[in-house]
Amino acid sequence: EDQVTQSPEALRLQEGESSSLNCSYTVSGLRGLFWYRQDPGKGPEFLFTLYSAGEEKEKERLKATLTKKESFLHITAPKPEDSATYLCAVQGEGGTSYGKLTFGQGTILTVHP
Amino acid sequence: DTGVSQNPRHKITKRGQNVTFRCDPISEHNRLYWYRQTLGQGPEFLTYFQNEAQLEKSRLLSDRFSAERPKGSFSTLEIQRTEQGDSAMYLCASSTEGAGELFFGEGSRLTVL
Repeated sequence: EDQVTQSPEALRLQEGESSSLNCSYTVSGLRGLFWYRQDPGKGPEFLFTLYSAGEEKEKERLKATLTKKESFLHITAPKPEDSATYLCAVQGEGGTSYGKLTFGQGTILTVHP
Repeated sequence: DTGVSQNPRHKITKRGQNVTFRCDPISEHNRLYWYRQTLGQGPEFLTYFQNEAQLEKSRLLSDRFSAERPKGSFSTLEIQRTEQGDSAMYLCASSTEGAGELFFGEGSRLTVL
């Protein structure tokens, strides 16, 4: 069974203070690893897909990286509007559809001005 | 707005009542998914449609839950004889065939009293 563990559960940063969120996973053959952002009371918003170890993706202040066992979401010089819950999910080859994702519990990021 | 649309956004019901949620996916997406999310947890997969065919269901989807996608466009999720444990956010997502990333709606929050 696919498993995803995210750490830390919550992270408080000062504006401009760079940091990283961790996503550790076990999966029977990785089809894709996904990062989503979720604001309170809203649905998850897609950020990145990573397919193989060594791959990196960037979007504004966010950069996602992937190894064979974990993924990191690096946040450079965060702003208060980056405050949200960040979700990591995997899709393994054991699933029969591309959309059956296994999510972690999320990291709640708070950026103080 | 061409995103995934869900309604109602909020539903409060008494234990034992039936509720139905509707999802309108992005028009060119033939895959549709239902997920459930409880407070502090990541979304959990419930079921998946490709066009009008329901191809996969999670064991989380008890006999009281039924989902349909009659013409391969919108979908409904019905919960019969609701229980307090059904209180959660019900998320709908859609994707194109072959694409791993899902696009989520805003969700329908159910509260069972």
